Amino acid sequence: GENVEQHPSTLSVQEGDSAVIKCTYSDSASNYFPWYKQELGKRPQLIIDIRSNVGEKKDQRIAVTLNKTAKHFSLHITETQPEDSAVYFCAALFSGGGADGLTFGKGTHLIIQP
Amino acid sequence: DVKVTQSSRYLVKRTGEKVFLECVQDMDHENMFWYRQDPGLGLRLIYFSYDVKMKEKGDIPEGYSVSREKKERFSLILESASTNQTSMYLCASSPPSTGGKNIQYFGAGTRLSVL
Repeated sequence: GENVEQHPSTLSVQEGDSAVIKCTYSDSASNYFPWYKQELGKRPQLIIDIRSNVGEKKDQRIAVTLNKTAKHFSLHITETQPEDSAVYFCAALFSGGGADGLTFGKGTHLIIQP
Repeated sequence: DVKVTQSSRYLVKRTGEKVFLECVQDMDHENMFWYRQDPGLGLRLIYFSYDVKMKEKGDIPEGYSVSREKKERFSLILESASTNQTSMYLCASSPPSTGGKNIQYFGAGTRLSVL
């Protein structure tokens, strides 16, 4: 099955600086890679995703890049703000039985220092 | 807005008890999922279902079973709860993958403590 590795487990950056979180996946057939954000005490929510037919996608201060050859993808957050503090999960799509699902990384706790 | 509702936010049970965690979604989604979330281990898939009465094992199904008698409801069952099943349990639902995407919507979670 799919295996997703995520690094680092904790990332502390100064407010206004950039943050980068990296993930690798094992199944070369995977073609969809979402990122979820989970604020403290809340449910995970999708913030951005990318399909394998593109190399980069941006949405305001966040961007995701994908290198299919190397089987890794990254989340980039620029001009970090206090509300960016959260746990971020990367994921990769797998197909099993009659449905598709997601295999998640272990998460990165992003801390924005004032 | 998609609403995924888990029946309890907090549960405390005794070792050996049978425990039911309930999840209901209101978007007519075909797919439903149960995860457990533990510090440092992320979201691990227990079971998922793509249709009524259909179920598939995830990565950590041991000690759990599921039931999907109606499309909107997916139940996670701990036949005989053990202390190592103390965790946060998250339910999610999704429509069928379209355009190569699979977007999951999560419930608020049930924090289960087994004493």
